[in-house]
Amino acid sequence: AQSVTQLGSHVSVSEGALVLLRCNYSSSVPPYLFWYVQYPNQGLQLLLKYTTGATLVKGINGFEAEFKKSETSFHLTKPSAHMSDAAEYFCAVSEGYGGSQGNLIFGKGTKLSVKP
Amino acid sequence: NAGVMQNPRHLVRRRGQEARLRCSPMKGHSHVYWYRQLPEEGLKFMVYLQKENIIDESGMPKERFSAEFPKEGPSILRIQQVVRGDSAAYFCASSPPQKNTEAFFGQGTRLTVV
Repeated sequence: AQSVTQLGSHVSVSEGALVLLRCNYSSSVPPYLFWYVQYPNQGLQLLLKYTTGATLVKGINGFEAEFKKSETSFHLTKPSAHMSDAAEYFCAVSEGYGGSQGNLIFGKGTKLSVKP
Repeated sequence: NAGVMQNPRHLVRRRGQEARLRCSPMKGHSHVYWYRQLPEEGLKFMVYLQKENIIDESGMPKERFSAEFPKEGPSILRIQQVVRGDSAAYFCASSPPQKNTEAFFGQGTRLTVV
């Protein structure tokens, strides 16, 4: 069965510092991997996704993630944190239904705080 | 093109009552997914539906929960005889029928059982 582990339920960085949110997955098949952001009392917004092809994926708001098959990782990074990045971030893997990306296994989330 | 619409946004029910949560997918989307988010937890898959069909309900509790996606109208997640443990945020996502397509999430319905 597929699973997702996010290391660190809370991460705090200073404004302008590097953001690194860790995600490891387990999957018996080539995975589709996703990062979502959730602001308080809001739904989930897709930041970026990996399906096939280039392993370094760029997303919205300056975020990127690298798929490393050998490490079964898909860590999310941003070179310089902004106050508006404070939110909860979820990593997810798709089991797929003939390519459908809606059945997702989510990690427990990482709350990012950004200090001025 | 409006996004995935869920209503109500907030729902309060007394123990033993029924809760009905609605999800209108994006235009052209025929796949709907329901997720539940408990406090301090990630989202847990509940059920995957296509028009008039339940494709996968492996995440649905065995009792009191049901879902439908009729030919016309929104998808409905129904919880009968609610208990305090049902208090959670329920999210709906939709995707088009084509392969390798992204699912879009609604803003959720926050159910509180008192």
